[in-house]
Amino acid sequence: DADVTQTPRNRITKTGKRIMLECSQTKGHDRMYWYRQDPGLGLRLIYYSFDVKDINKGEISDGYSVSRQAQAKFSLSLESAIPNQTALYFCATSDFRTSTDTQYFGPGTRLTVL
Amino acid sequence: SQQGEEDPQALSIQEGENATMNCSYKTSINNLQWYRQNSGRGLVHLILIRSNEREKHSGRLRVTLDTSKKSSSLLITASRAADTASYFCATVNAGNMLTFGGGTRLMVKP
Repeated sequence: DADVTQTPRNRITKTGKRIMLECSQTKGHDRMYWYRQDPGLGLRLIYYSFDVKDINKGEISDGYSVSRQAQAKFSLSLESAIPNQTALYFCATSDFRTSTDTQYFGPGTRLTVL
Repeated sequence: SQQGEEDPQALSIQEGENATMNCSYKTSINNLQWYRQNSGRGLVHLILIRSNEREKHSGRLRVTLDTSKKSSSLLITASRAADTASYFCATVNAGNMLTFGGGTRLMVKP
């Protein structure tokens, strides 16, 4: 969905490096999410934000941090990357007003930690 | 932990056949949603069924929900090679949080 963009799309880094993944949306949604997907598995929630001043931990937040710079921007940081953080990362948005939590996903960032 | 569990984990069929995927969940829900993911890409919302609904249709998709059994099924009729993808069910609970299952990988052979 072009309304949700992620940068970079691919990133290779080394153990111990700090990495930031960025997400922007033009859908005007208040809720934003970061997920991680490992090969052959479903999505696991890392962090989510219901508005600019709201940040919540998800299922697997250890080793990650986030920043909601504006309603349209939500970034994910790996403070000190480790190889088992190699995965596909997705940002998603939803609109609280619909009350269904239907989510709209970005194209993903493929992160490899060597 | 995942709320929904899909069955089968993988399914291979011929073009033109129907594909059925099942999802079971553990706790009460407000709605259940199905998403499709083409290889390595973001998930796309397909269809939503509310807890007070039993069946819903959208094009070649048919979704059923049995809240007494805590299960749902997604039927894709007259499948096409372009339907090859992973399909995920996701449940929304009272807290309005979406929780995904592990997915079914569907391959449709031409």
